[in-house]
Amino acid sequence: DTAVSQTPKYLVTQMGNDKSIKCEQNLGHDTMYWYKQDSKKFLKIMFSYNNKELIINETVPNRFSPKSPDKAHLNLHINSLELGDSAVYFCASSDARVYTIYFGEGSWLTVV
Amino acid sequence: AQTVTQSQPEMSVQEAETVTLSCTYDTSENNYYLFWYKQPPSRQMILVIRQEAYKQQNATENRFSVNFQKAAKSFSLKISDSQLGDTAMYFCAFMVPSGSARQLTFGSGTQLTVLP
Repeated sequence: DTAVSQTPKYLVTQMGNDKSIKCEQNLGHDTMYWYKQDSKKFLKIMFSYNNKELIINETVPNRFSPKSPDKAHLNLHINSLELGDSAVYFCASSDARVYTIYFGEGSWLTVV
Repeated sequence: AQTVTQSQPEMSVQEAETVTLSCTYDTSENNYYLFWYKQPPSRQMILVIRQEAYKQQNATENRFSVNFQKAAKSFSLKISDSQLGDTAMYFCAFMVPSGSARQLTFGSGTQLTVLP
């Protein structure tokens, strides 16, 4: 069983479209994250949710909106996609007792 | 703010040899965690090893070990008996355990190629 799973794994879409990436974790963790890896492979946090509450919101365009329906799910919705949004988006989760973050397989978004 | 520096963008090693990847960090915190993650061509981020700053003993996971020098703010990864499957991008990362906001700060990565 995959611990942190994301869908879709690959997504090609046109500029201006709206798209969502879904994430689910079955580890029982209380905190979930979205990280972005750019074309130079640099990784940076975008958002973090703890028990459905937003706790980290880095400087990200408001076209990006995370949503956590419950503590096992954290979805990322992106409006009006731009070429610069092309990246690999990683969902991750962690537990209050163990300071380790586990990543999903990534969702490779290409905007054309 | 914390920063993590990996000064070796690319490295290569012969199969079965040993290689060491460098990482330095800058922080004013005393309690923190350090990690090495591996990213193979599949792009998945895989945890390799973790070190708690309050522990003096260096962490070890099978062929992977670290040399943690807290005073020097250095955290290098040693891979022994390198295997072809070790070919990947390796990221050093830093975390301050501040409540529930456990944010990882990553270095820029080192691309390791294991040569047959």
